[in-house]
Amino acid sequence: RKEVEQDPGPFNVPEGATVAFNCTYSNSASQSFFWYRQDCRKEPKLLMSVYSSGNEDGRFTAQLNRASQYISLLIRDSKLSDSATYLCVVMTDKLIFGTGTRLQVFP
Amino acid sequence: DTGVSQNPRHKITKRGQNVTFRCDPISEHNRLYWYRQTLGQGPEFLTYFQNEAQLEKSRLLSDRFSAERPKGSFSTLEIQRTEQGDSAMYLCASSLQDPEAFFGQGTRLTVV
Repeated sequence: RKEVEQDPGPFNVPEGATVAFNCTYSNSASQSFFWYRQDCRKEPKLLMSVYSSGNEDGRFTAQLNRASQYISLLIRDSKLSDSATYLCVVMTDKLIFGTGTRLQVFP
Repeated sequence: DTGVSQNPRHKITKRGQNVTFRCDPISEHNRLYWYRQTLGQGPEFLTYFQNEAQLEKSRLLSDRFSAERPKGSFSTLEIQRTEQGDSAMYLCASSLQDPEAFFGQGTRLTVV
């Protein structure tokens, strides 16, 4: 079993749609959680950290459920520029990445 | 440019040759990671350093792979006797104690 699991997608959604990505992790000792964004042929970049209390950054909302070892990312009012791969990342003593979920937003 | 720098950006090598990649992290970042990424997959952990100490090396990594960070600044990743399966993007990232990691643009290795 992989340490961090994500649905690879792709998720194809129209502009303006709301889309949600999920992620599960296996190590209950994991300390920190993140979502990274990776554009095609580019390096990953931090999108947002994830906290148990939930956190919001504009159209993006991230949530952590430690009991279920589950992380989510919600994108509201999707834009064409949101098209990318979204990587779920978990930190124990090092950063472990999921395979990523590909999002394609169409006009 | 004060970001993470990787060299070379692209490397084509014949099977069986040795290759070495370099990573210059953001100044004063004490943690440095190496990852490998293939098409359709997320970055796969290879190894990481805290200053000059190599703290962990992935069990997926064969003995053909070695990494160093001699003075706790730049790092090198060497692959000996390259195989076609080594073809991938090799990513370096650095961070402070804060876990946010900043990535370089990667070195794309093609083994022919």
